[in-house]
Amino acid sequence: GAVVSQHPSRVICKSGTSVKIECRSLDFQATTMFWYRQFPKKSLMLMATSNEGSKATYEQGVEKDKFLINHASLTLSTLTVTSAHPEDSSFYICSAAWGNRPEAFFGQGTRLTVV
Amino acid sequence: GENVEQHPSTLSVQEGDSAVIKCTYSDSASNYFPWYKQELGKGPQLIIDIRSNVGEKKDQRIAVTLNKTAKHFSLHITETQPEDSAVYFCAASLLQGAQKLVFGQGTRLTINP
Repeated sequence: GAVVSQHPSRVICKSGTSVKIECRSLDFQATTMFWYRQFPKKSLMLMATSNEGSKATYEQGVEKDKFLINHASLTLSTLTVTSAHPEDSSFYICSAAWGNRPEAFFGQGTRLTVV
Repeated sequence: GENVEQHPSTLSVQEGDSAVIKCTYSDSASNYFPWYKQELGKGPQLIIDIRSNVGEKKDQRIAVTLNKTAKHFSLHITETQPEDSAVYFCAASLLQGAQKLVFGQGTRLTINP
């Protein structure tokens, strides 16, 4: 099956600093990647959709200047949480899809804790 | 836009029994319905999906049924095992290209030995 690798799995950072999360498709070319946020015992909330070489499309209510998404290659997308605050603490998950296939495969997720 | 409702939120069954999770969707244009299993601290794993041109799909102990008229679909797990314990999410989307998924609220399934 398609493998999506997300790194790091856990990160702790201080308030005011920035954190970068990487999402890589290991055995396919991800033309589209999605970034989600998940609160404890809740469903996945889509933050943004990114297509390779294009600007990301953000969901309503998601601050694009705070959550910077880059999808510079067909195998790598990054999410940078800028000027992180404790309320940004959450589980962030990426997923990747390719071509016209509807299937999306998820990374392992990143637990971000801002102290 | 699409809205997906999932029930029940928690489900506890005895090992060996069957488990059924149900979802309804609102947008009749949706035609792709995947199911994901999420274990604690991990990302969701695609376990089965169904497209609107079929009514049922089976993969070993897991099956999914779709009723387009009623706009609902269900996940059936037979002969449950302790390793089936997890949170299950249904989702709805469009088949055309990599469309964003709209998820249900999730069902926490516990298999009691």
